[in-house]
Amino acid sequence: DTAVSQTPKYLVTQMGNDKSIKCEQNLGHDTMYWYKQDSKKFLKIMFSYNNKELIINETVPNRFSPKSPDKAHLNLHINSLELGDSAVYFCASSQEEGDEQFFGPGTRLTVL
Amino acid sequence: KQEVTQIPAALSVPEGENLVLNCSFTDSAIYNLQWFRQDPGKGLTSLLLIQSSQREQTSGRLNASLDKSSGRSTLYIAASQPGDSATYLCAVRPGRGSTLGRLYFGRGTQLTVWP
Repeated sequence: DTAVSQTPKYLVTQMGNDKSIKCEQNLGHDTMYWYKQDSKKFLKIMFSYNNKELIINETVPNRFSPKSPDKAHLNLHINSLELGDSAVYFCASSQEEGDEQFFGPGTRLTVL
Repeated sequence: KQEVTQIPAALSVPEGENLVLNCSFTDSAIYNLQWFRQDPGKGLTSLLLIQSSQREQTSGRLNASLDKSSGRSTLYIAASQPGDSATYLCAVRPGRGSTLGRLYFGRGTQLTVWP
């Protein structure tokens, strides 16, 4: 009965690798988001999708590519990982863009 | 660009106290404001959402107020309990004409309630 789920919960990898984080919501929401929380706990939006269409694309390196195969899923693929990519990545969803957002448990990415 | 500030950054109180957490934002043209709590190593839990036309919202022991013209919101926690210990985050959503899904977060108030 989990509303917004992410896998994996922890991800440890070497610099230069490519990795993906998966997100799924079972709330029937139309909009999904990716946020990054840095080492100082500051949360910032990266991307949002509405009905599989990209709406928000912040100033994020193009090594980061979101993919939405359907409304219930928004995956984040990261190429050529760098040390500075180490952070906690949160997925969220809402019914429409202005509505209350519900967050997943987060994925802690550590790049060595 | 919207900036959100939360004061205090940390708060430590004995159980039973009534608390006020403050949030201020620089651009008063907001669509709504959302309060979250974040437990260590966990995701964010939505507490309250206040629309720009509302003055306050209540849920159990929590009450959030909004003064849009002065760019402020407060989260009031009545009769605090150790289980309230967490980081409380305030986030604002820009007004119409902007991308509504974009939330601007403050850095949070880390609350510790001791028995």
